[in-house]
Amino acid sequence: NAGVTQTPKFQVLKTGQSMTLQCAQDMNHNSMYWYRQDPGMGLRLIYYSASEGTTDKGEVPNGYNVSRLNKREFSLRLESAAPSQTSVYFCASSYLSTDQAEAFFGQGTRLTVV
Amino acid sequence: GDSVTQMEGPVTLSEEAFLTINCTYTATGYPSLFWYVQYPGEGLQLLLKATKADDKGSNKGFEATYRKETTSFHLEKGSVQVSDSAVYFCALSSNTGGFKTIFGAGTRLFVKA
Repeated sequence: NAGVTQTPKFQVLKTGQSMTLQCAQDMNHNSMYWYRQDPGMGLRLIYYSASEGTTDKGEVPNGYNVSRLNKREFSLRLESAAPSQTSVYFCASSYLSTDQAEAFFGQGTRLTVV
Repeated sequence: GDSVTQMEGPVTLSEEAFLTINCTYTATGYPSLFWYVQYPGEGLQLLLKATKADDKGSNKGFEATYRKETTSFHLEKGSVQVSDSAVYFCALSSNTGGFKTIFGAGTRLFVKA
């Protein structure tokens, strides 16, 4: 099983450029998430999708948009990148029910905005 | 809203020392609680979990007990190894206000040989 696959692994953008981070899971999970990880701040939730067809804002949604394309795929888009969006981005997925709420993570995308 | 607070790091220990990393939470309802570990250059992976009060999660010599009365889920290991050096995240998963997983800030552990 591939688990959660994120692309790309590394990206450098100029301020104002746009890009889409891709995420796909093959575990038939209902819920998918995008987090950013910054030094000293742990993981902060950007957006999540509790089930196919729904998306909700997390703690730090400004400057981002998401699309739950189907049950497998959940993409994160930066429309106009800013240096403050330099971070490591993680996609994760989990079952919906609380008892099986373990989150599975991708390897991360290291994004630098210059 | 729901939140997780864990002790700040870094924590530096010698091999075979006892480890405790404190974690407390605030949540409505009855969340599941987790410890995740992140090794350098990798994503997070589940270390252990507990889904109800008084449950003890354990894995690879690590343990944590879900204490509802103190809203805590402290991580312990009796004898750490150099290979345990990593960042440890406490987390809760709740379906209150929308189903999502909330993480603490992480605690970096260094183990010296």
